[in-house]
Amino acid sequence: ELKVEQNPLFLSMQEGKNYTIYCNYSTTSDRLYWYRQDPGKSLESLFVLLSNGAVKQEGRLMASLDTKARLSTLHITAAVHDLSATYFCAVVNNNAGNMLTFGGGTRLMVKP
Amino acid sequence: EPEVTQTPSHQVTQMGQEVILRCVPISNHLYFYWYRQILGQKVEFLVSFYNNEISEKSEIFDDQFSVERPDGSNFTLKIRSTKLEDSAMYFCASSDDLQETQYFGPGTRLLVL
Repeated sequence: ELKVEQNPLFLSMQEGKNYTIYCNYSTTSDRLYWYRQDPGKSLESLFVLLSNGAVKQEGRLMASLDTKARLSTLHITAAVHDLSATYFCAVVNNNAGNMLTFGGGTRLMVKP
Repeated sequence: EPEVTQTPSHQVTQMGQEVILRCVPISNHLYFYWYRQILGQKVEFLVSFYNNEISEKSEIFDDQFSVERPDGSNFTLKIRSTKLEDSAMYFCASSDDLQETQYFGPGTRLLVL
């Protein structure tokens, strides 16, 4: 059974600071997704990572994937208040088609 | 920009009643999904649908659940006899390829009393 764990579960940080959210998963996968969710809203796609060593950047967010370590990171650079949201990673099990298994989410709060 | 739409946005029902949640996936997408999120918890996969049949389903998706694509645009999730624990936000998603992003709809918040 594929398990996906994120840490931290909750992160409070000051504007301007950097931080990294970690996503570990338990079985082989070469597809990993990062989503953002604002309170009461849907899931907004941020990144799709499809291969070992993949790195993608959009604004202040950068995601990477290490399939050998079964680890993805979401790095936040110089955080701003607008980044406050819950961030989910989701992994596809190589042996189970395209079912997404989600991590528990990291609730990020950026204080002005 | 094309997006997934869902109706209704909120549904309140009595335990034991049937509910149908509706989704209109992005028009050129071929893969369709239902997920649910119990309040404050992680998002859980229910079912995926391709080429007019279920391709995968989770343990949550038992005999009380069914999906259908009744026409060329709608994708529905039916819960035959709702239970209290079915209360959750239900998200529909679609993708145009297995390796592409799954785009999520705004969700239907279901409350079973």
